[in-house]
Amino acid sequence: NAGVTQTPKFRVLKTGQSMTLLCAQDMNHEYMYWYRQDPGMGLRLIHYSVGEGTTAKGEVPDGYNVSRLKKQNFLLGLESAAPSQTSVYFCASSYTETSLYTFGSGTRLTVV
Amino acid sequence: EDQVTQSPEALRLQEGESSSLNCSYTVSGLRGLFWYRQDPGKGPEFLFTLYSAGEEKEKERLKATLTKKESFLHITAPKPEDSATYLCAVQALVDSSYKLIFGSGTRLLVRP
Repeated sequence: NAGVTQTPKFRVLKTGQSMTLLCAQDMNHEYMYWYRQDPGMGLRLIHYSVGEGTTAKGEVPDGYNVSRLKKQNFLLGLESAAPSQTSVYFCASSYTETSLYTFGSGTRLTVV
Repeated sequence: EDQVTQSPEALRLQEGESSSLNCSYTVSGLRGLFWYRQDPGKGPEFLFTLYSAGEEKEKERLKATLTKKESFLHITAPKPEDSATYLCAVQALVDSSYKLIFGSGTRLLVRP
């Protein structure tokens, strides 16, 4: 039972570089979410998806793009990384919008 | 504005020294309040959900309670393995859909 798997676990980027974070879930969940976690600020929602082929903006979407081409995968892209995007990124999924979230173990991203 | 505030930010206890963590919230359309435990380098792990004022849930040394304005996580006779960050989140109606709004967490250290 893998649950929610995030890759990579760690990454260092230079300012201006691009990258994609992958989230995969094997629970047939409809809803998927990307959060960032910064010291003293808690988890903040970046983007989310309510099903295959759909995406929507969360609280802090600027500088990020997402895609959900397959139900089990939710990709988070940074087109031009900035130091302000240094953070720990968590993916989560849920069966419905009100059911329990399952979180991945996170990706620690540093932008220098 | 929907807001979740946790206190204290950090708490140090001796093994066996009971205490409480606080989560206060101001949200509209509250559906439920969640407590999570987060260990270093890992994603949040679900502990409890509370839906109505007066409700209580227990699990081992932890008990969560809910009022109309706040929730408490009581830790009775804690052990070093209870050391973690405890996150509170409220499920509230935001832009016509339910979202989880997180507090910034309480870092608990239990010394032997």
